[in-house]
Amino acid sequence: ETGVTQTPRHLVMGMTNKKSLKCEQHLGHNAMYWYKQSAKKPLELMFVYNFKEQTENNSVPSRFSPECPNSSHLFLHLHTLQPEDSALYLCASSQERSSNQPQHFGDGTRLSIL
Amino acid sequence: AQKITQTQPGMFVQEKEAVTLDCTYDTSDPSYGLFWYKQPSSGEMIFLIYQGSYDQQNATEGRYSLNFQKARKSANLVISASQLGDSAMYFCAMRRNMNRDDKIIFGKGTRLHILP
Repeated sequence: ETGVTQTPRHLVMGMTNKKSLKCEQHLGHNAMYWYKQSAKKPLELMFVYNFKEQTENNSVPSRFSPECPNSSHLFLHLHTLQPEDSALYLCASSQERSSNQPQHFGDGTRLSIL
Repeated sequence: AQKITQTQPGMFVQEKEAVTLDCTYDTSDPSYGLFWYKQPSSGEMIFLIYQGSYDQQNATEGRYSLNFQKARKSANLVISASQLGDSAMYFCAMRRNMNRDDKIIFGKGTRLHILP
């Protein structure tokens, strides 16, 4: 149990659908991250939030929209996705954005775009 | 159960020396991928090197090489000619059956300190 919970674990959606991924951390951390993990590729950092403020957007297409209502919750809103967006989406948290503490990862959401 | 074990919580190494970071894994799947990530103090996970379970040769990326011993389920990271900038947290990770749905499993990490 890493203290970071992601829901749903699996999601299948069409290209015209709108869905959201949820991440919740129970570790009292102040920084949260979204990563994309495609098959045989390393993790790709998508967004970073530190104390609820977005501090990094790694050139992510606008069809991915993050939301961080508080330091414990992070959402990734999805709309009009493409087949190449099918991947494992990982959420992580750490004490602070520039912390020496390691990131704690959730189990991920497996997203499949039809 | 899938498991990644990094037995060295911390290491101190003199600059310019070679470093070996240990990683052992446990899986019953024949197909899996092994990754090493570096996490500097900035917090971002930086991908270093990847080894597929069916790859015949050990992976190499610049100063990084992966000593893959499949029978021992070992995937140690070797950093040659260490530099001060190599000081960071290093994570070994495994993703089983790369063509099928599954999660990535990370080890707890090794904190590497390079001494001048």
